[in-house]
Amino acid sequence: RKEVEQDPGPFNVPEGATVAFNCTYSNSASQSFFWYRQDCRKEPKLLMSVYSSGNEDGRFTAQLNRASQYISLLIRDSKLSDSATYLCVRGDSARQLTFGSGTQLTVLP
Amino acid sequence: NAGVTQTPKFQVLKTGQSMTLQCAQDMNHEYMSWYRQDPGMGLRLIHYSVGAGITDQGEVPNGYNVSRSTTEDFPLRLLSAAPSQTSVYFCASSYSGAYTDTQYFGPGTRLTVL
Repeated sequence: RKEVEQDPGPFNVPEGATVAFNCTYSNSASQSFFWYRQDCRKEPKLLMSVYSSGNEDGRFTAQLNRASQYISLLIRDSKLSDSATYLCVRGDSARQLTFGSGTQLTVLP
Repeated sequence: NAGVTQTPKFQVLKTGQSMTLQCAQDMNHEYMSWYRQDPGMGLRLIHYSVGAGITDQGEVPNGYNVSRSTTEDFPLRLLSAAPSQTSVYFCASSYSGAYTDTQYFGPGTRLTVL
């Protein structure tokens, strides 16, 4: 089993829709979690960190459920510019990041 | 600041050739790392460094060497290229490598081994 698993999609949603991605992880000792965004043929960029209490940044909400070992990302009022691949990432105390394979989102006009 | 830079952007090698992928950062970051990204597999850690003179192996180190003689530079050497090393290579850096740090990625090097 992969350490970090994501539904690869693709998710095709109309503009203005709400879309949610889930990510599961297998290492209960995992320390921290992030969502990175990767545009086609570009480098990954940090979208947001994920905190146990849940956190929000504009239209984006991230949540962490340690008991069930999953992370979620909710995007409200989707924009065309949200089209990208979203990477779920786990960080550990050994200073290593483990990436999920990514979920592809296409927002349609 | 240029951030993290990588050269070359594209490279085609023949099996058995060697080459060095360059990575540099101008943010005075202690932590630098190399990843490869293959379709459907996400990014996988090759090697990383927590400071000048210190390097360690990641998940997929075989066939690659690194060194860190300065804080700014972290080159990745392919010793004898194989078709299995065809991939997109990303270099990244962060302030200290702590699991709370933001990783900054370079634009990537697309490598094809024939």
